[in-house]
Amino acid sequence: QQQVKQSPQSLIVQKGGISIINCAYENTAFDYFPWYQQFPGKGPALLIAIRPDVSEKKEGRFTISFNKSAKQFSLHIMDSQPGDSATYFCAASYNQGGKLIFGQGTELSVKP
Amino acid sequence: NAGVTQTPKFQVLKTGQSMTLQCAQDMNHNSMYWYRQDPGMGLRLIYYSASEGTTDKGEVPNGYNVSRLNKREFSLRLESAAPSQTSVYFCASRTDEPTDTQYFGPGTRLTVL
Repeated sequence: QQQVKQSPQSLIVQKGGISIINCAYENTAFDYFPWYQQFPGKGPALLIAIRPDVSEKKEGRFTISFNKSAKQFSLHIMDSQPGDSATYFCAASYNQGGKLIFGQGTELSVKP
Repeated sequence: NAGVTQTPKFQVLKTGQSMTLQCAQDMNHNSMYWYRQDPGMGLRLIYYSASEGTTDKGEVPNGYNVSRLNKREFSLRLESAAPSQTSVYFCASRTDEPTDTQYFGPGTRLTVL
């Protein structure tokens, strides 16, 4: 079973702090690693994604760090805001029709 | 541009009843997907369609069937609903590479009694 393991399950951060969510994968054939953000009652939406040829990708306050040898990647949210409160999913896929394997999700709460 | 639309938004079924979840996208994407979301389990792929006229099983296909009616529409059918199929169902469509982004619909919350 191809798996992506995500931690922590829930996270509480103060406004202005750094939120860090970690994922680990098993299949070395994975070549695309997106993070999705989901607000209550909505469908997930792509937040940021990385391919394994780079070790880091930054978009605004959101950064993915990728460690190919450890088979791990993480999402860092700098200067976390209450509007970032949502569930975050990591995922991975390889060249088979874009099928995504999702992590279990992390419920982030940013306190004002 | 409506993106990905799903109907219905909510549905309650009795065990053994059947129903079809509808999904449509207006982004001219080739690939479409059906996922189910359960607490603590993330999203799991039920079926997908890489192009019009093709479908294939995902991680959890048992108890479901799909139809790719045309390029826009991809439906999911429960022939005989079971309580284990109580879940939130999401449809998605995907851009081709290099952007490789999946766009999700708003979901259908299904309860099977």
